Amino acid sequence: SQTIHQWPATLVQPVGSPLSLECTVEGTSNPNLYWYRQAAGRGLQLLFYSVGIGQISSEVPQNLSASRPQDRQFILSSKKLLLSDSGFYLCAWSVRFGVERAEETQYFGPGTRLLVL
Amino acid sequence: RKEVEQDPGPFNVPEGATVAFNCTYSNSASQSFFWYRQDCRKEPKLLMSVYSSGNEDGRFTAQLNRASQYISLLIRDSKLSDSATYLCVVNFFGNEKLTFGTGTRLTIIP
Repeated sequence: SQTIHQWPATLVQPVGSPLSLECTVEGTSNPNLYWYRQAAGRGLQLLFYSVGIGQISSEVPQNLSASRPQDRQFILSSKKLLLSDSGFYLCAWSVRFGVERAEETQYFGPGTRLLVL
Repeated sequence: RKEVEQDPGPFNVPEGATVAFNCTYSNSASQSFFWYRQDCRKEPKLLMSVYSSGNEDGRFTAQLNRASQYISLLIRDSKLSDSATYLCVVNFFGNEKLTFGTGTRLTIIP
């Protein structure tokens, strides 16, 4: 069966510090991968998605970046955190059917709570 | 106008009651619809897809009204374990991205 891991579970970082959040998926190959942020009392905002190794689409301008160095690994990074980067970061995956399309259902990891002070 | 709009609640409902939520979406070309459930401080999980003809899964019934651009979720005989935030989710373009509503918070009261 497929599982998705995220770490760390919680993180407190000072403003201006770097960030690296990791997400890995097991039990599937060539998934679509997604990074979302959920701010307190707000909906999920799609930050990045990836359809393959090295392929990243950015959805909103921000000081975050994403990388996919391996098929089932997705990393969210920042060089300098802002207060507004605080939130609940969720990684998700979906099944990909060949080159053309992916299944619509997305499965989420447990998330990382980031507090920037 | 938000792409996907939900009443944030909270809905405080006695155990055993029936409760219904609506969700409206802005793009008439939307192709797929879902309800996800999110427990407090947890990740969202798929509750059910919403089909054009309506669909039922145990105590849960989902309906789609394309003419009025809304979807609904009905929960019958509510249980304490139904307490959660329910997220309305739309795939606007039949592509690989989903748009999430901000959620409706439901609390079932003993």
